[in-house]
Amino acid sequence: QVQLQQWGPGLLKPSETLSLTCSVYGGSLSGYYWTWIRQSPGKTLEWIGEINHGGSTIYNPSLKSRVTMSVDTSKNQFSLNLNSVTAADTAVYFCARGRIGLRYSDHWGQGSLVTVSS
Amino acid sequence: DIQMTQSPSSVSASVGDRVTITCRASQPITNWLVWYQQRPGEAPKVLIYAASSLESGVPARFSGSGSGTEFTLTISSLQPEDFATYYCQQATSFPKTFGQGTKLEIK
Repeated sequence: QVQLQQWGPGLLKPSETLSLTCSVYGGSLSGYYWTWIRQSPGKTLEWIGEINHGGSTIYNPSLKSRVTMSVDTSKNQFSLNLNSVTAADTAVYFCARGRIGLRYSDHWGQGSLVTVSS
Repeated sequence: DIQMTQSPSSVSASVGDRVTITCRASQPITNWLVWYQQRPGEAPKVLIYAASSLESGVPARFSGSGSGTEFTLTISSLQPEDFATYYCQQATSFPKTFGQGTKLEIK
């Protein structure tokens, strides 16, 4: 059974860099794409971007200037960096596995609440 | 960006009721439409992909239909565990965008 487990700091100050990592257990990075999605308190879901096992990325244009995603196939992990955070970046961040060709996410991490506050 | 609009924003229903949620896209998305269910404090869970394909393990009371710009999610007979928020997402072009959600509450 595939499981995604994510972790990272929960509290950041404005202008710092948000860094989250998602480990994949019970499956390979190969053959799928890997997505980050966030949800601001009480709001809808926002697609941040996705990366494949080869490291090719697609980012949301609204965040593209601040986002970097990477994969570490040796550790079966992928990561999200979002720099210059503000209070507007306060959200629950989810990692998820995407089905290539079917275009949906079938396994999700547990979510990480990241709060940006001075 | 493609805008996804769900209706209603919230609905109250009883166990056993039939409920339909609509999702409209601001431009045609063929059938690249996904429905997710999210319970409070949990990650979303996929129900339907490609507009009408039922994800493995999802009860058959869930069904999806539509193509182009208008899509529906139907729950044929509500069960207690179905009270949650439902989101549609288009996957035809980047950025992949979600609807604002439909909260299904117990009447």
